[in-house]
Parts: sequence; structure tokens; C-alpha cells
Amino acid sequence: NAGVMQNPRHLVRRRGQEARLRCSPMKGHSHVYWYRQLPEEGLKFMVYLQKENIIDESGMPKERFSAEFPKEGPSILRIQQVVRGDSAAYFCASSPLWTSGKTSSYNEQFFGPGTRLTVL
Amino acid sequence: QQQVKQSPQSLIVQKGGISIINCAYENTAFDYFPWYQQFPGKGPALLIAIRPDVSEKKEGRFTISFNKSAKQFSLHIMDSQPGDSATYFCAAVSGNQFYFGTGTSLTVIP
Repeated sequence: NAGVMQNPRHLVRRRGQEARLRCSPMKGHSHVYWYRQLPEEGLKFMVYLQKENIIDESGMPKERFSAEFPKEGPSILRIQQVVRGDSAAYFCASSPLWTSGKTSSYNEQFFGPGTRLTVL
Repeated sequence: QQQVKQSPQSLIVQKGGISIINCAYENTAFDYFPWYQQFPGKGPALLIAIRPDVSEKKEGRFTISFNKSAKQFSLHIMDSQPGDSATYFCAAVSGNQFYFGTGTSLTVIP
């Protein structure tokens, strides 16, 4: 059972170009989360998606950033017209369908290896 | 604002010593508190987690202590080993929302 897969692992872009980061969740997982990690900082939530739906994008910058999780294929985080400040590690996490109940009211996340974006 | 405050930012411990990392939160809706371990170049991986109905959980050399009234929880690594050198993140969870601390870089000196 393969874990969460992200590609590319490393991505170099020049200012003004577009960056596309892909995330394939674990088999059977229908929830995907994207996080950004800047050097010496923690994980910053960006967006939470289910298949074909954006559930929460409160952590996503209002401009240049977008995310999708189509019915078929991986989740995509797209950054248009990249700037140097976008250089960071971007992590994707997936989780199974959330179930609440007496013993479980949380949803464990499994992280991918990340994509390290460098903007020149 | 930062939902979860984590300290210290970095920690150096001698081999065999105890490493202690602390986290604090404000939102009483949080009902799950996991710790993640991240090695350089890798994604975070779940290490140990606790629910607020217990005050302590132990798994091998790793223990979480939870103080519900103080809204604080901590990770203790007993008999710390060089292989434990990594960045540790605490998190607080409510439903599908995860809030992470800023991380603690742990170095265990042989």
C-alpha cells in the first residue's frame, strides 16, 4: 500500500513562471490537505479538499494560488507568476473519510515527502 | 493567530538524557493532540497522539503528558538517542482541522 506521493520532489522556477505541484493520496483516502513549510517555520495550513470540492481554503493566499482535487487523478496545487517568497517546501497530507463517534472524532493525516520549490 | 504555541524552538540533549517539548493551546474544541516527527528532507510522520480524556500516554521511550485544565501538553523522550535528532511538531485537532506548532529542532549529542 503506497503512501502519499508527491511530485516533483524538487522544482525550480524563475520569477513569473507557473508551478504545478501534484499529490496522489493514499489508496482509499478522499481528503487532501496542503501545507507550506518555510525554513525554520512550522507547517502552515493552506487548503483542504475532498474530491471535486474545496472544503476550506482559509490558509491560501488570495492571489496566484489555486488548488483542485478532481474526480480522477491527483490533487494539484498551482502557483501562478511565482515570486521568490514562494520558495518553500509544500507538503500534502491525506486522510480517510472522517467518522465521528464515541471512539473517534479525529482524522489522522498521512504526509507525503514534500515538494521543494525554489524560485530563482 | 498561532493556535498552538510550541517551545523550545531548538533543543540539545546528551545521549541518554530526557528531551521535553511543550505545547499550549486555547481552543477547548480541540479533541485530539498528535505529535509528528520530521527528518530532514522527509514529510512529517505521526509519532504518538493523545485524547483529552487521559492525562498520559506512553509508547516505548515516548510519553505525552496532558494537562486539560492548563491547556498544555508535552512530549517526553526518555533515554534520548542520536537517531531521535529530528524536528518535532505538536498539533491540535478539531474534526478535520489540524493546527500545528512551529516545531522544535532536537539534536541528541552522542
